[in-house]
Amino acid sequence: EPEVTQTPSHQVTQMGQEVILRCVPISNHLYFYWYRQILGQKVEFLVSFYNNEISEKSEIFDDQFSVERPDGSNFTLKIRSTKLEDSAMYFCASSEWGEAPGTGELFFGEGSRLTVL
Amino acid sequence: TQLLEQSPQFLSIQEGENLTVYCNSSSVFSSLQWYRQEPGEGPVLLVTVVTGGEVKKLKRLTFQFGDARKDSSLHITAAQPGDTGLYLCAGAGNNDMRFGAGTRLTVKP
Repeated sequence: EPEVTQTPSHQVTQMGQEVILRCVPISNHLYFYWYRQILGQKVEFLVSFYNNEISEKSEIFDDQFSVERPDGSNFTLKIRSTKLEDSAMYFCASSEWGEAPGTGELFFGEGSRLTVL
Repeated sequence: TQLLEQSPQFLSIQEGENLTVYCNSSSVFSSLQWYRQEPGEGPVLLVTVVTGGEVKKLKRLTFQFGDARKDSSLHITAAQPGDTGLYLCAGAGNNDMRFGAGTRLTVKP
């Protein structure tokens, strides 16, 4: 069964360092998302991406964050200068379609755990 | 921002009991989804409800979408330890899907 894959599964970094989290969405999906979940807290929307551009972003997704689809398969989240509070599980998701971008059924990856020291 | 409130936040029951968890909002959603998340894993979709008043059944799980499409419930009959997990509802916004904080269910054998 097709699945969303994420790498790395766990990354430890020093505060102020740049981090890139990688995702390979399901191949025929058109909409891509990043969510994060701080330990024990809710799943928070970061950004949605469709047709090679950001469709929607939350208040969390500030100038330190960026997303890119560098080729036909990868979808990346970059955090330019990490802060302690960026420590969280980051989930990538993709969906095939929806009435509008963001309304289709989401398929999540296993997540990338980021620890900022 | 469309907020989804889930209740209860925590629920601990014995195997065989029935339970209902709720997802409420003041906003109308075009669709609402329920997910289950286990520790260290990503959420897994259980169901999508689209039509007001819709009821969907998935084995022992019954999902209902409110008539006004602002709220939803999940009822589990004869809960089993394998049902333990975090149950999340998510509502479709303009270009995103926003999650509630979840109900953490523990079913004791």
